Amino acid sequence: DAGVIQSPRHEVTEMGQEVTLRCKPISGHNSLFWYRQTMMRGLELLIYFNNNVPIDDSGMPEDRFSAKMPNASFSTLKIQPSEPRDSAVYFCASSFGRTNTGELFFGEGSRLTVL
Amino acid sequence: AQSVTQLGSHVSVSEGALVLLRCNYSSSVPPYLFWYVQYPNQGLQLLLKYTSAATLVKGINGFEAEFKKSETSFHLTKPSAHMSDAAEYFCAVSDRGNQGGKLIFGQGTELSVKP
Repeated sequence: DAGVIQSPRHEVTEMGQEVTLRCKPISGHNSLFWYRQTMMRGLELLIYFNNNVPIDDSGMPEDRFSAKMPNASFSTLKIQPSEPRDSAVYFCASSFGRTNTGELFFGEGSRLTVL
Repeated sequence: AQSVTQLGSHVSVSEGALVLLRCNYSSSVPPYLFWYVQYPNQGLQLLLKYTSAATLVKGINGFEAEFKKSETSFHLTKPSAHMSDAAEYFCAVSDRGNQGGKLIFGQGTELSVKP
């Protein structure tokens, strides 16, 4: 079975450029999460969607970050303009069910380097 | 607000020795608790979860964890470490009333296994 698919796996860009990260959740899952992982701050929840609707975006660092989920099978995380401090591994995860049983299925991550 | 604290960012054990990774949680309501494992360059995978059934929870790869409400702890153990257990381990908490499965992760504990 296909898991959560993220692209690109690696992205190197220059400061000021726009970055778009993509995620395809597991078919049938109705919740989708974007996490950021850095050495300094660990795993941070940026935003999550339930049934394609953003539920909590309090973790989004600032207006340079935006996330969309136009349908149940696709989500994007966009950074515009990017800055060196955005360098991190960005994970997408999905889960199924309204009540929280907590099993998130993670993608392999997108490693972003902003020069 | 919910939170988890993992005691020790690095733990080193010898192969065959007991593994003990510590996690304490803070939650104003009965929590769901989880342990995830992350191997290098991969996403997180669920090891085990506590969702109010038995307080001793068994997971994959011989790991288990015990929920102790009086100590607000959920420590992860394995009787005998194997080289393949070397990875980063994350404790996580969720609010049972939380729609959609939002998890808050600890800072992680890197487990090293010496031959």
